[in-house]
Amino acid sequence: GQQVMQIPQYQHVQEGEDFTTYCNSSTTLSNIQWYKQRPGGHPVFLIQLVKSGEVKKQKRLTFQFGEAKKNSSLHITATQTTDVGTYFCAGRMKTSYDKVIFGPGTSLSVIP
Amino acid sequence: ETGVTQTPRHLVMGMTNKKSLKCEQHLGHNAMYWYKQSAKKPLELMFVYSLEERVENNSVPSRFSPECPNSSHLFLHLHTLQPEDSALYLCASSQGRGPLEAFFGQGTRLTVV
Repeated sequence: GQQVMQIPQYQHVQEGEDFTTYCNSSTTLSNIQWYKQRPGGHPVFLIQLVKSGEVKKQKRLTFQFGEAKKNSSLHITATQTTDVGTYFCAGRMKTSYDKVIFGPGTSLSVIP
Repeated sequence: ETGVTQTPRHLVMGMTNKKSLKCEQHLGHNAMYWYKQSAKKPLELMFVYSLEERVENNSVPSRFSPECPNSSHLFLHLHTLQPEDSALYLCASSQGRGPLEAFFGQGTRLTVV
């Protein structure tokens, strides 16, 4: 079936180090969204990527959408303790505009 | 505050109980969703309502019964649940079923004993 995978599952970094999470889909996506969920919280929308090869930045966060629209990445430069949480990608399948599938998430811990 | 409110925040119920989860959105959105979040599992989409019509049901057991009386309210009726149904149930809303961001409520932490 259609799947969205993320790696790594967990990442522990020292404060100030960079962090990257990768998202891969088994099928071509019409768009991809990224969400952040703080411990004990709910997912909060970060960004949406639509175009092949698209790159968007939000301060220290850089989001990329692959040329084939099957993968994406989120890179955080110089992590801070406020970056702690689980980062989910959510892919909208091209075959069905109603179907959004979330990846399992990458849980980020930042050691001060 | 995301504009999507879920009640109750926590619920403990026995396997023979009947309870309902409530979701209300104040964003003027026309699509609402129920997701299940279990430990160590991806977010699972359960139901999608668009303009108060159920448009997706992802093979959810019949012990979960959704209801959408209007575009601002969404319910999830629960009966004869199993312990493995214990999870965080998240409601979300969006403007249209298209590729637009979803706003999530804070969730209901359900424990079935």
